[in-house]
Amino acid sequence: DAEITQSPRHKITETGRQVTLACHQTWNHNNMFWYRQDLGHGLRLIHYSYGVQDTNKGEVSDGYSVSRSNTEDLPLTLESAASSQTSVYFCASSDREGPSTSYEQYFGPGTRLTVT
Amino acid sequence: AQTVTQSQPEMSVQEAETVTLSCTYDTSENNYYLFWYKQPPSRQMILVIRQEAYKQQNATENRFSVNFQKAAKSFSLKISDSQLGDTAMYFCAFKGNNAGNMLTFGGGTRLMVKP
Repeated sequence: DAEITQSPRHKITETGRQVTLACHQTWNHNNMFWYRQDLGHGLRLIHYSYGVQDTNKGEVSDGYSVSRSNTEDLPLTLESAASSQTSVYFCASSDREGPSTSYEQYFGPGTRLTVT
Repeated sequence: AQTVTQSQPEMSVQEAETVTLSCTYDTSENNYYLFWYKQPPSRQMILVIRQEAYKQQNATENRFSVNFQKAAKSFSLKISDSQLGDTAMYFCAFKGNNAGNMLTFGGGTRLMVKP
């Protein structure tokens, strides 16, 4: 069965360190997204990609970067981790737009990141 | 930019009863899509139901149905015959026609189903 996975599931890091969160999907979806989930804010979009070599900034992109070298993976990098980046991070994917697109996004299980 | 508001941070309902979760949104677009996602304690986000704005008929999926009021920009979720497994965070989400494939989420409503 197709799926979307994230690793690690939990991560503790120190302020100032570079951290990379992995996201891998086997849906063969063109679109991939990174969100952070914080209490009271729902999910906020960090970065997104509509295909290989395409990346775009979302609502809360400062301090984060992504790269898309293949269809399956969209790693999220925190260049210099800050305590404000302590959060739960979700990766999602969706199919390309077409006549029967549902626009449903399929989510990974999330990564809980703690920056101390 | 579109905004999605869920005005009920927490709700509770007795098992087998019916509960309605509220969602309002702000947009100037005429065609768009609305979603309700469920996030149980496992954290896995699951699509519950989806509504296309150009469709007059309210979407239903088994015990889940929506009341879509386009003029009022309201999209509430009704859960009938609530079950313990319905305990979760529920998020309302909006996708505009001019927003590519991005979703805008509300802040969520935590629903507790009591035995």
